[in-house]
Amino acid sequence: QKEVEQNSGPLSVPEGAIASLNCTYSDRGSQSFFWYRQYSGKSPELIMFIYSNGDKEDGRFTAQLNKASQYVSLLIRDSQPSDSATYLCAVGASGGSYIPTFGRGTSLIVHP
Amino acid sequence: DAGVTQSPTHLIKTRGQQVTLRCSPISGHKSVSWYQQVLGQGPQFIFQYYEKEERGRGNFPDRFSARQFPNYSSELNVNALLLGDSALYLCASSSGQPETQYFGPGTRLLVL
Repeated sequence: QKEVEQNSGPLSVPEGAIASLNCTYSDRGSQSFFWYRQYSGKSPELIMFIYSNGDKEDGRFTAQLNKASQYVSLLIRDSQPSDSATYLCAVGASGGSYIPTFGRGTSLIVHP
Repeated sequence: DAGVTQSPTHLIKTRGQQVTLRCSPISGHKSVSWYQQVLGQGPQFIFQYYEKEERGRGNFPDRFSARQFPNYSSELNVNALLLGDSALYLCASSSGQPETQYFGPGTRLLVL
């Protein structure tokens, strides 16, 4: 059973701070990793994907991947109240499957 | 370009009834996946179709079935509804990189 683990939170950070969201996964052969943002009552929205070890930056968002530790994280710089949402980590399967496994998500609250 | 569309947006059914949910993928996308999301959990994989062929099936009972049409739109059918089928049903489409999935707005199903 492939597993993706996230702390459900909530993670509370002040406006302007860096929010750090973490995700661990069990399938050592996984090659692709995704972060989605989901506002309450809405569907998930793709924020970033990362395939290679290291950092990938897109605006205020940075995804970090460490395959040896089976760990992927999302940093949000200069957090805004509009970033308050649930962040879902998804991990692509190994072995030719095209079906990602989702974590349960981490709730982020950015307070003014 | 239009995103993934789903219909209906909301649905109320009673136990034992049957329901059909519909999804149209992003233009040019040939893969459609269905997920069930209950409150506080990440999306759970139900089915994936690519070029009208079933590519994967999650751990759901045979009451759940799906199909993909020549225009790549898809339907999810659920028979003999149970109270526990109440959830947000998400459709996601993807193109050449099947794991990079884009979600529709979802159909919220309530079974009474």
